[in-house]
Amino acid sequence: QKEVEQDPGPLSVPEGAIVSLNCTYSNSAFQYFMWYRQYSRKGPELLMSIYSNGDKEDGRFTAQLNKASQYVSLLIRDSQPSDSATYLCAGGETSYDKVIFGPGTSLSVIP
Amino acid sequence: DVKVTQSSRYLVKRTGEKVFLECVQDMDHENMFWYRQDPGLGLRLIYFSYDVKMKEKGDIPEGYSVSREKKERFSLILESASTNQTSMYLCASSFGREGEYEQFFGPGTRLTVL
Repeated sequence: QKEVEQDPGPLSVPEGAIVSLNCTYSNSAFQYFMWYRQYSRKGPELLMSIYSNGDKEDGRFTAQLNKASQYVSLLIRDSQPSDSATYLCAGGETSYDKVIFGPGTSLSVIP
Repeated sequence: DVKVTQSSRYLVKRTGEKVFLECVQDMDHENMFWYRQDPGLGLRLIYFSYDVKMKEKGDIPEGYSVSREKKERFSLILESASTNQTSMYLCASSFGREGEYEQFFGPGTRLTVL
């Protein structure tokens, strides 16, 4: 079992839809999680990080963390064609440990 | 804004050549990382460094070495390039302090080994 798992998709939604991207992890020692957006042929761009149970909102994006269920999600509201990208979930234990990335979910937002 | 730069966006080398990939960050980050990214395999950690002159092996260090002589610079070296090292190489850096674990990535170097 991989430490961080995501549904690879591809996921295709119409513009304006609400999208929920899901991530599960098996390492209960993970303390923090990050969501990255990666456009084709570009480096990953940090969208959000979350350390505590609950929700964290930033504009159209909301990250949710449930440590008891070992589940992280990213909600995108009013999705735009510019949101078309691969979304990577990542978790880590401490500052001296490596971060583990999930395989990513490919999202297409159709105008 | 954090800026992580990589020396080349695209690189073409021949089998057996020694290849240097350079990464520079301007935010005084302690930690630096080298990954490769391949379709279907995701991001895989090659090496990382949490201090100058320190290095730790990641998941796939074979065929690679690294150098960190200055805090802001982390180099990845392919001693003798092979075709199976054709890939996208990504550098990242982070503070690594309590509450500041986020990694920031460079734009990537797409390396082709012929």
